[in-house]
Amino acid sequence: LAKTTQPISMDSYEGQEVNITCSHNNIATNDYITWYQQFPSQGPRFIIQGYKTKVTNEVASLFIPADRKSSTLSLPRVSLSDTAVYYCLVVTSFSGGYNKLIFGAGTRLAVHP
Amino acid sequence: DSGVTQTPKHLITATGQRVTLRCSPRSGDLSVYWYQQSLDQGLQFLIQYYNGEERAKGNILERFSAQQFPDLHSELNLSSLELGDSALYFCASSVHNEKLFFGSGTQLSVL
Repeated sequence: LAKTTQPISMDSYEGQEVNITCSHNNIATNDYITWYQQFPSQGPRFIIQGYKTKVTNEVASLFIPADRKSSTLSLPRVSLSDTAVYYCLVVTSFSGGYNKLIFGAGTRLAVHP
Repeated sequence: DSGVTQTPKHLITATGQRVTLRCSPRSGDLSVYWYQQSLDQGLQFLIQYYNGEERAKGNILERFSAQQFPDLHSELNLSSLELGDSALYFCASSVHNEKLFFGSGTQLSVL
């Protein structure tokens, strides 16, 4: 299983762009990078997933360099409601579900007025 | 709404007791995962089932067990409860591993 490392906490202000970087040095060829968001007392929510280069959806962008040993979640123009814990996971995509989906400690993002 | 249903939402019980948490996955999802999250702690992976079979196990205590039934709903059984078992228990489901849909959790309080 690829181990991930991300900052424990980050602070930002409303309207700013926030970039959270995750390192996953031993990512394997079949692995994807997935990010989740969790608010207090709620289950995590899928944000975005990517394999290489750049992926963008209505919520965020995910940048993955060519060596895939790290990835950066980019949240444009954050608001107070983006205050949450963000988890980076490396998962292997295949049917049957043999992979233990291990969540790390996550990054606690605090957005200030 | 993720489509994953967990019941009950809250459970208060005493030490030494046994409880059962229930999870109904999204329609069509064959995989069910259970996680434990204690206060200010991360998500601890407990166990995963796929189409009725156990497929992966995390740091699940021997006092805990789970199963997935033919209709794909799953139950997590916690026995000989201790104060330290108080936590939020989440169930998640997926078609494949790459995207999990989480339920709203069961808050267990052991007094």
